[in-house]
Order: sequence, then structure tokens, then C-alpha cells
Amino acid sequence: QQQVKQSPQSLIVQKGGISIINCAYENTAFDYFPWYQQFPGKGPALLIAIRPDVSEKKEGRFTISFNKSAKQFSLHIMDSQPGDSATYFCGGTSAGGYQKVTFGTGTKLQVIP
Amino acid sequence: SAVISQKPSRDICQRGTSLTIQCQVDSQVTMMFWYRQQPGQSLTLIATANQGSEATYESGFVIDKFPISRPNLTFSTLTVSNLSPEDSSIYLCSVARQDGYTFGSGTRLTVV
Repeated sequence: QQQVKQSPQSLIVQKGGISIINCAYENTAFDYFPWYQQFPGKGPALLIAIRPDVSEKKEGRFTISFNKSAKQFSLHIMDSQPGDSATYFCGGTSAGGYQKVTFGTGTKLQVIP
Repeated sequence: SAVISQKPSRDICQRGTSLTIQCQVDSQVTMMFWYRQQPGQSLTLIATANQGSEATYESGFVIDKFPISRPNLTFSTLTVSNLSPEDSSIYLCSVARQDGYTFGSGTRLTVV
């Protein structure tokens, strides 16, 4: 499985701050890039996803920025809250998201009051 | 998004035995995926299960260890055979639909 590199491995952010998680991919056939949020003891939940024909997608406090030429994308969490404390995984897949997802290594986010 | 029911949610098994995990989806899907998540790690794809054909296994995973059934378009099972402590992980099924790629809540397996 071709890699998706994710950084940082862990992140501590003050409440109200901006959390930024970065990913880079290798497979140019990828055309769907999801982000997942996972709380302890739970399965990953789809948070937001982007296709490479747009450079940015925003849903509430969550924004994906996408740089196709650099093969990089990032998740920005605005006004971070303690309830956002979770592990976040980026991923890449092809066929519009109907194929297997290759996941990044995960980022453990802690938002402190 | 799809509703996926995965059972059991957790189990403790003796080494050398097997555990079968069930995954039920609330609508028909072409492909179902089985992932493993080792403690504190990311998700690794075990295999892709298509209805009516043999599952496709990823490198490092073999059918004898992880047999999969896919009897219809809403159901699949994953068996983890001849258990060893190294199999202690969370196992997750997932499906891809137009509204996203959804995971079940996972099965936490502990092998003693």
C-alpha cells in the first residue's frame, strides 16, 4: 500500500486555538482524501473529505486545504475545543472513494482548557 | 452515512482458538473492507470482500489466517484463526458509499 505520511504524531493546542495536521501522499491516482476522527474505544468517523479539483473545503470549524502539485493536504481545526481531543487520520483512495483507503499514521490531538 | 453493526464489540480468546466477527450493513454495498488497528497504531487493510467472489488480501495477510465470507450484499464475516497474542487488536469493517467511507464500531480482541 502506497504511503500517506502524516504529521505531527501528537499535538497539544490551547482551547480556542488552531490545530493543524499535515499529510502528504505518493499515489497520483488518489482522487478522494478523507479525514477521520477517532475517540478511544470507537471506530473512526468520517469528518470531512476533499477531491483534488478544489483547493479548499470548509465544514463548520473544520477546513481541508489541498495542494495538488505538492501532493499535500492539511486539516485545520479552528477554535479548537476540548471535545475535539481525539486521534485524527488522513487518508487517500481512488475511484472517487469507492476503493480501499490508505491511511496516515494518525495524530493524537489534545486540546487543553 | 451507512449504518454498520459489528459484533462482538469485544472478546477475550484463548490462544489457538478462532474468533468470527460479523458485520451487517443497513443497505446493499458492492465492497466491504476489513481493517486491523493495533494498539496506538493506524489502520491496516486486511482484505476487500466482494459478494460472489473470493476476497482480495493485502500483502502480509493470508486466507488461512483470515478467512472471509460475503454471502450477500449486506453482510460479511472475518475469522481470525489460530489466535496468538500478536493478534490482539481492534478489527473494523467498513464500506464505501456515495456519502462517504464508513466504519463499524470495531471488535476489540484480546488473546490470552
